[in-house]
Amino acid sequence: QQQVKQSPQSLIVQKGGISIINCAYENTAFDYFPWYQQFPGKGPALLIAIRPDVSEKKEGRFTISFNKSAKQFSLHIMDSQPGDSATYFCAARSDFSGTYKYIFGTGTRLKVLA
Amino acid sequence: SQTIHQWPATLVQPVGSPLSLECTVEGTSNPNLYWYRQAAGRGLQLLFYSVGIGQISSEVPQNLSASRPQDRQFILSSKKLLLSDSGFYLCAWGPGMGEQYFGPGTRLTVT
Repeated sequence: QQQVKQSPQSLIVQKGGISIINCAYENTAFDYFPWYQQFPGKGPALLIAIRPDVSEKKEGRFTISFNKSAKQFSLHIMDSQPGDSATYFCAARSDFSGTYKYIFGTGTRLKVLA
Repeated sequence: SQTIHQWPATLVQPVGSPLSLECTVEGTSNPNLYWYRQAAGRGLQLLFYSVGIGQISSEVPQNLSASRPQDRQFILSSKKLLLSDSGFYLCAWGPGMGEQYFGPGTRLTVT
């Protein structure tokens, strides 16, 4: 019940295309859903995040769509660029005895072809 | 602004040797601190978290331990490394009510 399932494991997209990564969860106590971008050899960087009372959040070319009833959320990267090639992780946060803990998906390796 | 540091950046250690990885945060006080391990091509596994000095919670029983001797310092240790301890170790911090931010990581190879 604490898992976050992420798909696909890898994704290849043409430059200018739309990249879509999906995540699903079971625990309805999760209250915050961030996405992280990680380049090889670097720490993950917070990209965009959403709370369950919002169905969509957009920041530049990155959009999170959130479906509370289906317990699913997804990251859409519009006009994908080669510089977007990285591994993307979704996560879900729960409040455990006053401490926020995060459960991460297994990651999606995105390659954008020039 | 807040900054998180980790060192060393890379480390190669023989099996059975001790380990000490350090993480420090600047520009904030009383952060929640976290240690994660990322195996090659895998997700992030939470190892330890701390809500204050001397307060450590362990997520996965294993060969590692953590300490928080100062408010913004978090240390990951081992008395005797195993081959399975190899991985990318990430420290993260978060304000009490907010997001979580990662450091640059330490690549540990146990030979």
